[in-house]
Amino acid sequence: QVQLQESGPGLVKPSQALSLTCTVSGGSISTTSNYWSWLRQPAGKGLEWIGRMYISGSTNYNASLKSRVTISLDTSKNQFSLKLNSVTAADTAVYYCAREGFCGRTSCSSGHHWGQGTLVTVSS
Amino acid sequence: DIQMTQSPSSLSASVGDRVTITCRASQSINNFLNWYRQKPGKAPELLIYGASSLQSGVPSRFRGSGSETDFTLTISSLQPEDFATYYCQQSYSLPRTFGPGTKVDIK
Repeated sequence: QVQLQESGPGLVKPSQALSLTCTVSGGSISTTSNYWSWLRQPAGKGLEWIGRMYISGSTNYNASLKSRVTISLDTSKNQFSLKLNSVTAADTAVYYCAREGFCGRTSCSSGHHWGQGTLVTVSS
Repeated sequence: DIQMTQSPSSLSASVGDRVTITCRASQSINNFLNWYRQKPGKAPELLIYGASSLQSGVPSRFRGSGSETDFTLTISSLQPEDFATYYCQQSYSLPRTFGPGTKVDIK
């Protein structure tokens, strides 16, 4: 059973960078079967997809955040990471890492399987 | 971006009730539709993918149906652990987008 666990600072100052790491256990991040994704959820609100990375090195980002986001993989540690620059209070949210099943032309092998989430507060 | 809507936004039901939640996409997404349940304070969990495929380990009381733009999640007999918020999500195109959620609470 593949499990994901987020880690990183719970408090970030405005204008600084938010950095989170997701540790994958029970499976390899080098698989071709999954995308490795980040999503977030402000308190009491809905879910927002931030972006994803594939083992090939290909990345996709939400255009609303693209200029500030970087997702990277570390296969030696079986981890992937999120960096969000120039944060504001609007970036305060629970951040989730997730694996998404690979999608072909007619179907996807699965939806998102989520880590437990970590709350990041942007405040001075 | 593909916009996802859900109805109702909330509903009240009792244990044992049959519950139906509807999701609509702003354009055709074939069957690239997933459903999640989110219990309070917890991460979402995948229930249905590909519009109608039951995720391994998910009880058979959950059923997904639909295609193109209109989809339905049916819970045949509501259990105490099903009082939660349900989200649909399209996996047809990027960015992935979610519906606003349907909160199911106790009548």
